[in-house]
Amino acid sequence: GENVEQHPSTLSVQEGDSAVIKCTYSDSASNYFPWYKQELGKRPQLIIDIRSNVGEKKDQRIAVTLNKTAKHFSLHITETQPEDSAVYFCAATKWSSASKIIFGSGTRLSIRP
Amino acid sequence: NAGVTQTPKFQVLKTGQSMTLQCAQDMNHNSMYWYRQDPGMGLRLIYYSASEGTTDKGEVPNGYNVSRLNKREFSLRLESAAPSQTSVYFCASSEGTGVRYNEQFFGPGTRLTVL
Repeated sequence: GENVEQHPSTLSVQEGDSAVIKCTYSDSASNYFPWYKQELGKRPQLIIDIRSNVGEKKDQRIAVTLNKTAKHFSLHITETQPEDSAVYFCAATKWSSASKIIFGSGTRLSIRP
Repeated sequence: NAGVTQTPKFQVLKTGQSMTLQCAQDMNHNSMYWYRQDPGMGLRLIYYSASEGTTDKGEVPNGYNVSRLNKREFSLRLESAAPSQTSVYFCASSEGTGVRYNEQFFGPGTRLTVL
């Protein structure tokens, strides 16, 4: 079955700097890779996703890249702001199928003022 | 439009007691999921229901049972609670069709403590 590994588990960056979180997956059949953000005490919410037919996707200050050959994908946050402080989860699954979605273990991102 | 709702928000059980966590969604979604969240472990899938009338095991199904009561409701039952089941439980739903097939919408969570 699918296994998703996420690194680092904690990340602290200066406000205004960039943050990068990396994930690897094991099942080459996975083709949908979402990222969820969970603020303290709140529920996880989707912030960006990518399908395996594209290599990169951007939405304002966040971007996700995918390397299918190496089976890894990354979340990039530029010009970090205090409201970016949260736990971020990557995940992998097969799009449009009744498959399990497997999450990484999460990265706690802290933004230093 | 309440989205995904869960009851109760908090629960304390003694070892061996049973309880059912309730989940409902009003978005006409086909698929529903139960996760548990433990520190440093991320979100682990317990059971899911791809569509009304079907259920399948996730990563950590032992000690749990589920019922997809109808399209809106998906309950999680602990028959004999154990301290290892102390966790935050999230229910989620997704359309299970169309362009937003797999996007998960989460409920607010249930914090369960087993003594």
